[in-house]
Amino acid sequence: DAKTTQPTSMDCAEGRAANLPCNHSTISGNEYVYWYRQIHSQGPQYIIHGLKNNETNEMASLIITEDRKSSTLILPHATLRDTAVYYCIVRVSGSARQLTFGSGTQLTVLP
Amino acid sequence: DTGVSQNPRHKITKRGQNVTFRCDPISEHNRLYWYRQTLGQGPEFLTYFQNEAQLEKSRLLSDRFSAERPKGSFSTLEIQRTEQGDSAMYLCASSPERTVSDTQYFGPGTRLTVL
Repeated sequence: DAKTTQPTSMDCAEGRAANLPCNHSTISGNEYVYWYRQIHSQGPQYIIHGLKNNETNEMASLIITEDRKSSTLILPHATLRDTAVYYCIVRVSGSARQLTFGSGTQLTVLP
Repeated sequence: DTGVSQNPRHKITKRGQNVTFRCDPISEHNRLYWYRQTLGQGPEFLTYFQNEAQLEKSRLLSDRFSAERPKGSFSTLEIQRTEQGDSAMYLCASSPERTVSDTQYFGPGTRLTVL
């Protein structure tokens, strides 16, 4: 699975959009981009995933660049409960393979 | 709640003792994963089951670790002769077999402290 690079930490004001970047320059054509988050002392929570098109669900939007070498997770209206470590993971979908977590980005939403 | 459940949530044991954790996956999820997470790090893969078959094991899974999924439903992870280095959060995840996304859903974890 391709390696990802994320900033160590970010702050965001409550009510504003949080934009979390991820670089995955070695991504292969059949690898998806997944985002999970982990609130302190809880298990990771699935957020969203995509292959090349932008995706949106009730939690977030995922923007993948045309060359697929980077992506951005967008939380449109961040709340204090969105404070968590956010993990960007690249893997081949449907292959029953384990998730390889990096260090993630600690997002702190400030009141 | 029909999510992944894990028991116990917390376990404190003395070095050298054996411990066993249980994971109940989401109903009808064929795939079950165990991960370990130490403080400040992301989760690390330990092992994977498809139904009752253990198909993959990480090098992290030493001989003191054993996992089972006897009827393809719940799973247990046993650690024998625990060491202080085994202190960590043990996470279980499950996923359905026949989906494109193979999204894994995690339980709340079992936090192990070895004294």
